[in-house]
Amino acid sequence: GQQVMQIPQYQHVQEGEDFTTYCNSSTTLSNIQWYKQRPGGHPVFLIQLVKSGEVKKQKRLTFQFGEAKKNSSLHITATQTTDVGTYFCAGTHNDYKLSFGAGTTVTVRA
Amino acid sequence: GAVVSQHPSWVICKSGTSVKIECRSLDFQATTMFWYRQFPKQSLMLMATSNEGSKATYEQGVEKDKFLINHASLTLSTLTVTSAHPEDSSFYICSAREQGAYNSPLHFGNGTRLTVT
Repeated sequence: GQQVMQIPQYQHVQEGEDFTTYCNSSTTLSNIQWYKQRPGGHPVFLIQLVKSGEVKKQKRLTFQFGEAKKNSSLHITATQTTDVGTYFCAGTHNDYKLSFGAGTTVTVRA
Repeated sequence: GAVVSQHPSWVICKSGTSVKIECRSLDFQATTMFWYRQFPKQSLMLMATSNEGSKATYEQGVEKDKFLINHASLTLSTLTVTSAHPEDSSFYICSAREQGAYNSPLHFGNGTRLTVT
């Protein structure tokens, strides 16, 4: 089936530093969504990108959708301990199914 | 916001028994619900799409006779793991979209951690 690739799988960040997680699909996506899952919890919706080249910000989080609607990125600035968790991208293909990336698990050292 | 309630949150059962997991949309109607399975430190894998009033659509490799799905109303879908075995131990999560909103975000339940001994 359709797949969305996400890297890196793990990201260990010094508090205050920035990091980026990337997603890529081999086919064009209708939209891409980002979710955050805290340890032991369930995924929580963060944002959805629909338009080619779209950029959205949520405080220290910047989400970008590529011009070809095949890739996306999440950039977090000035990482805090509250950013700990696994970030998943999920792409919607033409069949309306949502394909999740492998996730980027973020740990923060103070 | 939209809330999805999943029950139970955890269950331990003996090998060979069946377990039923319920997924309810509390403040919206969901024509379609999705069942995912997540193994430790792995991503969410779609098992099946539950359609209200019709048969579920299963992903490749998922045994429909083992994972029975019933979507009897616009607010309730159930997943029954029949004749459970230790390899079925996993985190099962349901999700739902609001009725008619095909591209909208998914609302996830809290998940059910199943342990088969």
